[in-house]
Amino acid sequence: EAQVTQNPRYLITVTGKKLTVTCSQNMNHEYMSWYRQDPGLGLRQIYYSMNVEVTDKGDVPEGYKVSRKEKRNFPLILESPSPNQTSLYFCASSPWGSGSAGELFFGEGSRLTVL
Amino acid sequence: GNSVTQMEGPVTLSEEAFLTINCTYTATGYPSLFWYVQYPGEGLQLLLKATKADDKGSNKGFEATYRKETTSFHLEKGSVQVSDSAVYFCALTGGSYIPTFGRGTSLIVHP
Repeated sequence: EAQVTQNPRYLITVTGKKLTVTCSQNMNHEYMSWYRQDPGLGLRQIYYSMNVEVTDKGDVPEGYKVSRKEKRNFPLILESPSPNQTSLYFCASSPWGSGSAGELFFGEGSRLTVL
Repeated sequence: GNSVTQMEGPVTLSEEAFLTINCTYTATGYPSLFWYVQYPGEGLQLLLKATKADDKGSNKGFEATYRKETTSFHLEKGSVQVSDSAVYFCALTGGSYIPTFGRGTSLIVHP
């Protein structure tokens, strides 16, 4: 089954404690991206990657890092989480760049709370 | 830059009612347009898309037509069901690899 898998689904942590949210896709997509969803603000892109070792900032990259060492994986790293990073996070992949219009395939989301 | 504006919700309807959720956009060039649906507790799923002017996207009884003259992509369904209750997002891609999303419209359908 084609899917995007992210973990953990739920996480409560404390300010300053580094954490990583993993994302993996099995569709051989070159494009992967991270979003945060906040009430009243819709989805905002954090980072995206067009291919292995190629990453770029989205609209709200501050406080986040990513890496793309393998095509299927695109982890999101919060080096020193703060309460304003409490949010619902989504990973997505896309065949964008391979003739598609950029339709996205989303994971089920990771709800992060930073105390 | 690009922007997407969609009607604020929640939209509350009775089962079998007609649905319209308005979406207008601002973009340079010729963007591709999408509707995504998010059911409670789940990620977003692509509902339909249109990639050029006058294209009509359709899926599961939902339709939307890419209107370049009015820069709109309104979502419609002739007869909604309780199972259509969800949040609907209008989105566009074009000019960069950063999609632009609307803020989402919550739809509540009562039996």
